[in-house]
Amino acid sequence: LAKTTQPISMDSYEGQEVNITCSHNNIATNDYITWYQQFPSQGPRFIIQGYKTKVTNEVASLFIPADRKSSTLSLPRVSLSDTAVYYCLVGPRKTGTASKLTFGTGTRLQVTL
Amino acid sequence: SQTIHQWPATLVQPVGSPLSLECTVEGTSNPNLYWYRQAAGRGLQLLFYSVGIGQISSEVPQNLSASRPQDRQFILSSKKLLLSDSGFYLCAWRLAGGPGEQFFGPGTRLTVL
Repeated sequence: LAKTTQPISMDSYEGQEVNITCSHNNIATNDYITWYQQFPSQGPRFIIQGYKTKVTNEVASLFIPADRKSSTLSLPRVSLSDTAVYYCLVGPRKTGTASKLTFGTGTRLQVTL
Repeated sequence: SQTIHQWPATLVQPVGSPLSLECTVEGTSNPNLYWYRQAAGRGLQLLFYSVGIGQISSEVPQNLSASRPQDRQFILSSKKLLLSDSGFYLCAWRLAGGPGEQFFGPGTRLTVL
């Protein structure tokens, strides 16, 4: 599984756009990029997944350059409730056996007023 | 819809005592099942995963074991707990052959004294 590198922490004010970048230099051809959000004392929750270019859903956007060696999770107009740890994962989208996800330490986002 | 249950929610156990954590999934068949552990302030560590009844793969050698006696039941056990076994234990499921998204349970907070 491709190893990922993210900033340990980020701070933002409420209402700002937050961009969290993840490096994955050894990403494989069949790997997808997936982001999870985790609140304290809860399990991670899926946010968004993409393969290339741009993916957008109701909570976030994911930007992936052509070389796919990095990706950026964009959270528009964050609120206090977006304070959480965000994990970037890289791995096959579908596998014949179990899909093993490797969670790093993630990026701790702190949103303040 | 699918739901995942874990119990107990919290547990305090003395060193050397046995452990049994249970996870059940509703609303799906033949899911891939996972056990993770998260130490305080750390990322998630994959402990075990299972692609079917009686099929268990271990990721980290340790004094823990897992079993899958039924299709939607996953059990994490230990014969003798160590202090280092303290942590937040998360069970997750994924559709076999699905898009790779994992759905996490509410977790069990284990403290070994």
